[in-house]
Amino acid sequence: DGGITQSPKYLFRKEGQNVTLSCEQNLNHDAMYWYRQDPGQGLRLIYYSQIVNDFQKGDIAEGYSVSREKKESFPLTVTSAQKNPTAFYLCASSTREGGSNQPQHFGDGTRLSIL
Amino acid sequence: ILNVEQSPQSLHVQEGDSTNFTCSFPSSNFYALHWYRWETAKSPEALFVMTLNGDEKKKGRISATLNTKEGYSYLYIKGSQPEDSATYLCASDNAGNNRKLIWGLGTSLAVNP
Repeated sequence: DGGITQSPKYLFRKEGQNVTLSCEQNLNHDAMYWYRQDPGQGLRLIYYSQIVNDFQKGDIAEGYSVSREKKESFPLTVTSAQKNPTAFYLCASSTREGGSNQPQHFGDGTRLSIL
Repeated sequence: ILNVEQSPQSLHVQEGDSTNFTCSFPSSNFYALHWYRWETAKSPEALFVMTLNGDEKKKGRISATLNTKEGYSYLYIKGSQPEDSATYLCASDNAGNNRKLIWGLGTSLAVNP
């Protein structure tokens, strides 16, 4: 079945460490997104990519980095500069054709915690 | 600051009840309104994407309406079932191209058998 796979489901990070969250899709979607969810807040956009080798900062990009070397993959690195990384992270993708009419398809998420 | 507001925050209904909830969104520079259902331990699932004022969409027992002039959308569930229990999220696209959706906090629905 086509879909989005996020791994791992749970991730623990020590202070000062960088960690990378994986997101892979086989939907042939051009656009991919990373969101963060915190209690009492709506989904907030970290980074998005509309095409391979291009990505843009979202609303809360500080302390995060991404790459988009392949259409299928959009990994997110949480760097040590992110002071409050404990959160639930969701990856999504969508087709670019049709613009705003297209729904986003989501993975199951990764919960990151600080040890 | 652009905000999307959803009400109520949570809702408990009995099986068979019909229910509805509201999403209020910025009406300026409006492109599209998205509805998603998010069941516990699963990924959010798209229900509807609506763009035209007055539009109504239906998927089984779930339907949604859109008023872009006043900036609100209603989601209706007819004859609620326990499997409808989930958080229902709406998100507004006020930038075009689906790049930066503004998300509401969701309405958490619990349907008691």
